[in-house]
Amino acid sequence: AQKITQTQPGMFVQEKEAVTLDCTYDTSDQSYGLFWYKQPSSGEMIFLIYQGSYDEQNATEGRYSLNFQKARKSANLVISASQLGDSAMYFCAMKLQGGSEKLVFGKGTKLTVNP
Amino acid sequence: NAGVTQTPKFRILKIGQSMTLQCTQDMNHNYMYWYRQDPGMGLKLIYYSVGAGITDKGEVPNGYNVSRSTTEDFPLRLELAAPSQTSVYFCASSSQFTLSPLHFGNGTRLTVT
Repeated sequence: AQKITQTQPGMFVQEKEAVTLDCTYDTSDQSYGLFWYKQPSSGEMIFLIYQGSYDEQNATEGRYSLNFQKARKSANLVISASQLGDSAMYFCAMKLQGGSEKLVFGKGTKLTVNP
Repeated sequence: NAGVTQTPKFRILKIGQSMTLQCTQDMNHNYMYWYRQDPGMGLKLIYYSVGAGITDKGEVPNGYNVSRSTTEDFPLRLELAAPSQTSVYFCASSSQFTLSPLHFGNGTRLTVT
């Protein structure tokens, strides 16, 4: 079974600084994908970034990067140059390859960016 | 480009009433999902479908039913609504390509009183 753990219920960061949101996962499968989603106060789920288990390089998408450490089973999200609009809930999620391709979510981290 | 469309956006039900949450996608995705999100929590999978005519239970299926007669539509039926079903419901879809991201609708906020 898959499990995602996000140990930081809330994080605070100053505008323009970088912040790391932690995510650890547990699976015995070799082929899987790790995803980060953003949920602003308006409620929609916004896909941010993806990392495959066989990808050798860390994924990057603009100001978002994923610090993937396979041996430690961690997939931390790094947001550089934080903006006020980054204030939101952030969810880490995992999908196993094949079958139903279900996405399993962590409980989320609430990020607050201070001016 | 509509993506995943859910209706209604808000609904209040009385205990014991029934309703159907509608979900449609225009991306020709094979996989579709229903999740619920309770306050301060992550999303939990209710039901999913890997194609028309095929559905299966997720983590929290009790009190719900689904059908998938077309690729585009995946309605979620609540029978005999209970206060424990007060939640935000998200429909999502993904392509047949492995490990592709899920695309979510904007959610339906349901209150059962």
